[in-house]
Amino acid sequence: QSVLTQPPSVSGAPGQRVTISCTGSSSNIGAGYDVHWYQQLPGTAPKLLIYGNSNRPSGVPDRFSGSKSGTSASLAITGLQAEDEADYYCQSYDSSLSVLFGGGTKLTVL
Amino acid sequence: QVQLVQSGAEVKKPGASVKVSCKASGYTFTSYYMHWVRQAPGQGLEWMGIINPSGGSTSYAQKFQGRVTMTRDTSTSTVYMELSSLRSEDTAVYYCARSQHLGYYYGMDVWGQGTTVTVSS
Repeated sequence: QSVLTQPPSVSGAPGQRVTISCTGSSSNIGAGYDVHWYQQLPGTAPKLLIYGNSNRPSGVPDRFSGSKSGTSASLAITGLQAEDEADYYCQSYDSSLSVLFGGGTKLTVL
Repeated sequence: QVQLVQSGAEVKKPGASVKVSCKASGYTFTSYYMHWVRQAPGQGLEWMGIINPSGGSTSYAQKFQGRVTMTRDTSTSTVYMELSSLRSEDTAVYYCARSQHLGYYYGMDVWGQGTTVTVSS
């Protein structure tokens, strides 16, 4: 069981908006450490999608956005497209000197 | 362009060791920390540890303490991850991933293609 908790799956129709939550604790997200998000398409390496809670690397569409509040963070995807179907992971750091990943969320585009 | 190229797939017997390499190019090797992350079949991402290519200092996840060793060769811009006392549960794809900066707290902005390690008798 991951220290960062994500829903196992979310789904949405093309064009809709979906959000993926990432819940931590006072020793990681709540301690002020940044949250990063990754997209992993089937059979490929993860790709950095959001860094520093809400920043998009060059080339990532502005349909993807991130936010953080208290001990949780969220990834929002608007204007859902078929190509967004993938696994999504949050990542942060813990005061126990460990990098943490969430358990991952499978996004299905209906 | 910035890229990380990993060594090829490995098949090992239980109890053996495996050493995976990750060759960096397109950037200053010593200016960015490097993580190792693994993913078992059908499972999520698991952080194994991190190395500072500049001084060689390392930090390992508690789960792998005593079994993992991360090293680097600055002359070839290559980092290595060696995992010993392999068991079937170590069957996974192993990734190297560059930290955005010198530190543990940042995102991982460049990933290797992954190395499949299969542990089977």
